[in-house]
Formats: sequence, C-alpha cells, structure tokens
Amino acid sequence: AQSVTQLDSHVSVSEGTPVLLRCNYSSSYSPSLFWYVQHPNKGLQLLLKYTSAATLVKGINGFEAEFKKSETSFHLTKPSAHMSDAAEYFCVVSDGSGYSSLTFGKGTMLLVSP
Amino acid sequence: NAGVMQNPRHLVRRRGQEARLRCSPMKGHSHVYWYRQLPEEGLKFMVYLQKENIIDESGMPKERFSAEFPKEGPSILRIQQVVRGDSAAYFCASSPFSGGQTDTQYFGPGTRLTVL
Repeated sequence: AQSVTQLDSHVSVSEGTPVLLRCNYSSSYSPSLFWYVQHPNKGLQLLLKYTSAATLVKGINGFEAEFKKSETSFHLTKPSAHMSDAAEYFCVVSDGSGYSSLTFGKGTMLLVSP
Repeated sequence: NAGVMQNPRHLVRRRGQEARLRCSPMKGHSHVYWYRQLPEEGLKFMVYLQKENIIDESGMPKERFSAEFPKEGPSILRIQQVVRGDSAAYFCASSPFSGGQTDTQYFGPGTRLTVL
C-alpha cells in the first residue's frame, strides 16, 4: 500500500521569497515520486519526477525536490517565488512495481503576495 | 505533438441522465487512466485501460460507472443515472509505458461534471 501526506493545505509567501511545500510518503516498494501543479480550472502539469536516480531532482520553472529515504520525504522547493507560481501543488507516489496507479496527496495551495 | 484531449470540458446533466466523457491520449500512448477529483480533495484513481482491455478498475464505483478504450477512437468514461454526488472534475491521463519502470502520466485538462 502507498500513501502521501502533504503537511500543509495552504502556504503563503511573498514574491521573491523561498517556497517550501512539504510531502511525506509511505510505500511498500521503491517508489517513484512526482510533483504536479494545477492552475485554476486547468489540468495537471508535471513539475518533476524522481525514479531512483539522483536524489535531488530539478524540474521546470526553477522548482526542485530532494528525495530523503530516511525521512520518507520529498519536499518541493524554489529559491524565489513568482506571482505565476500561485496554484495548487500535488505530491504523488507510485510504487514503481511496473505499472501502477498514482496516489495523490490532498494538495497544497500556494498563495503568492506582491 | 498534441497533448491529452478531453471533451467536453464542461458537462451539465440532470439527475438520472447519462454522462459520457471522452479522452484522446497523446499520440503514441496506448495506456489511459481516469481519475476523479472531488472538491477540496486530491485526485483519486478510478480505472486503467489499454486498447480493448481494462487492466485495473479497483477505483471504479461498483454500479453505474463503466469505461472502455476501443481499438479505434477515444476512451470513454460512462456514468449512468447520474446523482448529485457524481459532480466532480474527471481527469484522464495517458502514458507510453516503456515497461520496467513507472512511466510519467500526462494529464488532460479535465471534464467538469455538474449534476443538477
């Protein structure tokens, strides 16, 4: 069984300040982990993906995430927030055992103020 | 390369009617997944299909819901006799499935179903 916990339902930052969105996971196998972003009334866009290669994963739009097996975490960070980053972010796990359905966290809404 | 296409984008049905949601995967992708997103929640897996086969339907409600992915044409998610609780955003995703490692799933824009 696999599960994802996003520790914050909302995160507020000011433009130009760092972003940290927290995610913890549990998985019976070596997991694949993803971060997706959803802008209002839009579909989901893949930000980045971890699949047992480098533990620090760089994604689009300046985002990155670090896989920490000892802490079962996969937190998403960005050094400097931009107004266009305001959206909902989903941490997602797949157990990597071939095909599998994705298990989504409940999402973190990122609010960026000027 | 066009992305995953879903139509309609918005669908309004009265209780008891049928809803048909369509999904065309990305070119070259032969694996389709359907997810449902209820308000204030993340996406929940419903069903995984390959051409002409349902591989995993463990997330599908036992009644009124069905899905298909025919040899030709889009994948269809069908909801019979809709109820207000079916109101949600339904997302389709596709993957090429290289085998041996979980593929990235690419999502469509979703269909927002409203049941009156």
